[in-house]
Amino acid sequence: DVKVTQSSRYLVKRTGEKVFLECVQDMDHENMFWYRQDPGLGLRLIYFSYDVKMKEKGDIPEGYSVSREKKERFSLILESASTNQTSMYLCASTPGGSTDTQYFGPGTRLTVL
Amino acid sequence: GENVEQHPSTLSVQEGDSAVIKCTYSDSASNYFPWYKQELGKGPQLIIDIRSNVGEKKDQRIAVTLNKTAKHFSLHITETQPEDSAVYFCAASRYGSARQLTFGSGTQLTVLP
Repeated sequence: DVKVTQSSRYLVKRTGEKVFLECVQDMDHENMFWYRQDPGLGLRLIYFSYDVKMKEKGDIPEGYSVSREKKERFSLILESASTNQTSMYLCASTPGGSTDTQYFGPGTRLTVL
Repeated sequence: GENVEQHPSTLSVQEGDSAVIKCTYSDSASNYFPWYKQELGKGPQLIIDIRSNVGEKKDQRIAVTLNKTAKHFSLHITETQPEDSAVYFCAASRYGSARQLTFGSGTQLTVLP
């Protein structure tokens, strides 16, 4: 079974703090993704990575950065958290090639006060 | 970029009845259309997908239809059961550096016993 884990289920941070969200997959997947999920807006792609140290902006990258130093780990960084970044953050991975199924982690509920 | 609209946002059906969720997409280059189910407290999970060279696909009680000309696709669930209660997301995808998904806003399906 594919397993995608996220470092925290719930996180509370203060405005201006630097926040790290970690995602790890155990299936040697090529591609990894970060989404945020907000009511009525569905899932919106923040960034994705198609190889180690390779990344591309998604639809809403402003205020976020990412890091992929190892194939199994993809980090989302909020350089200076703001209240409008309060959301559910979901990480996903796919093997790449002809397999398109995205496997999601359980999500991190981030609250910025 | 791609825009995916999903309707309805909430849907209640009696156990045993059918449920239909509809999505439209804007980018004629999109060629892959998955449906994800998200249960409470979990990440989304793929339940069925369809590619643009196919008009319909079925897997037991669920089916997806695609009309490329009209740019819309639908999820059909027959003989609904209480465990079908969840949030369902449609998505449309094009292929770049990796398969990027644009999600609809989600449908909360409630199956009443």
